Amino acid sequence: DIQMTQSPSSVSASVGDRVTITCRASQGISRWLAWYQQKPGKAPKLLIYAASSLQSGVPSRFSGSGSETDFTLTISSLQPEDFATYYCQQANSFPLTFGPGTKVDIK
Amino acid sequence: EVQLVESGGGLVQPGGSLRLSCAASGFTFSIYAMSWVRQAPGEGLEWVSAISGSAERTYYADSVKGRFTISRDNSKNTLYQQMNSLRAEDTAVYYCAKLRASGSYDAFDIWGQGTMVTVSS
Repeated sequence: DIQMTQSPSSVSASVGDRVTITCRASQGISRWLAWYQQKPGKAPKLLIYAASSLQSGVPSRFSGSGSETDFTLTISSLQPEDFATYYCQQANSFPLTFGPGTKVDIK
Repeated sequence: EVQLVESGGGLVQPGGSLRLSCAASGFTFSIYAMSWVRQAPGEGLEWVSAISGSAERTYYADSVKGRFTISRDNSKNTLYQQMNSLRAEDTAVYYCAKLRASGSYDAFDIWGQGTMVTVSS
């Protein structure tokens, strides 16, 4: 199974800050990586697929990059509605696996 | 409007069974793979199972293999998950999720609101 790790596990940031979250796969997954945002009590929301493709309707301040084992999600200018937990997920092979999550909270 | 609505969750004793349903609307259900993803209280996301659009192929996490069965009825636009031999560690919110592109398993673009399953005596 492919293991996914994320860093940091949590980050405190202010509105307007640039935030970068890293996701690492235990083996190469090409660009089969997605990013999700989840707010408390809500279902996850797809932000990025195929490592860098922005899902329709997602603000352009979100961007993704990387390939094989190392990936990043960047929020260029943090907005109040962006405080949430972010998960990466590999889609290279079954079982599909998620990272443990990164919580972005208010500094 | 594209929508997924889960039902069937509840309280069940260890060793018991439960069947979850997920009613889909707003898209051509039969051409998309579907999946179940769960989240234990206070924990992260865990993929559970997936099924192809035609139901020819199914996939399971090791943690549920042999106990859970995913299925679908394309005539009713409904996804199911039969859960047997339930354990305390199966306690979670179960989300139904649609795969983004026809024939692909690359990302989950639509999620239901979730249904809570509690396994406890």
